[in-house]
Amino acid sequence: EAQVTQNPRYLITVTGKKLTVTCSQNMNHEYMSWYRQDPGLGLRQIYYSMNVEVTDKGDVPEGYKVSRKEKRNFPLILESPSPNQTSLYFCASSVGGAREQYFGPGTRLTVT
Amino acid sequence: GQSLEQPSEVTAVEGAIVQINCTYQTSGFYGLSWYQQHDGGAPTFLSYNALDGLEETGRFSSFLSRSDSYGYLLLQELQMKDSASYFCAVRDQGSGNTGKLIFGQGTTLQVKP
Repeated sequence: EAQVTQNPRYLITVTGKKLTVTCSQNMNHEYMSWYRQDPGLGLRQIYYSMNVEVTDKGDVPEGYKVSRKEKRNFPLILESPSPNQTSLYFCASSVGGAREQYFGPGTRLTVT
Repeated sequence: GQSLEQPSEVTAVEGAIVQINCTYQTSGFYGLSWYQQHDGGAPTFLSYNALDGLEETGRFSSFLSRSDSYGYLLLQELQMKDSASYFCAVRDQGSGNTGKLIFGQGTTLQVKP
């Protein structure tokens, strides 16, 4: 089954404790992206990757890191999480960007 | 700067037709996409327009006018399950970013019996 998986689905952590949210897709897509979704603000792109070893900033990259060492994986790293990073996070992949993105189920992160 | 504008809420009755508009302002343009998101769920792709005109997929259609920087999603024969949020999205070509995507803030559609 074609899918994007994210782990964990839910996470409660404390300020400053490094965390990683994993994202994996099995569709051989070149494009992968991370978004955060906050009430009233829609989906905002954090980082995207056009291909392996190629990443670039979206609209809200501050406080986040990503890497793309393999085509299927695109982890999101929060080196020192802060409460303003409490949000719903989605990973997505597609053949080439805007066209048809497949979204993961989401990760609800709470930073206290 | 780049931005997309959508109405925040739309209400319609079951069986009716509803149109959700999206106007965009970007430094480049590759196409307009539409996504549906039910409460608590992941967005799912509905349609994509790269060229002017109407694209039809079942009960859903999407229209684009590049000269007007405008598009809309048309939902026909509304069903209760169509109650959801709808987002338009574009790929922005400004500042050398070739893959940056921008989403509108979303339109919440409420379908009433």
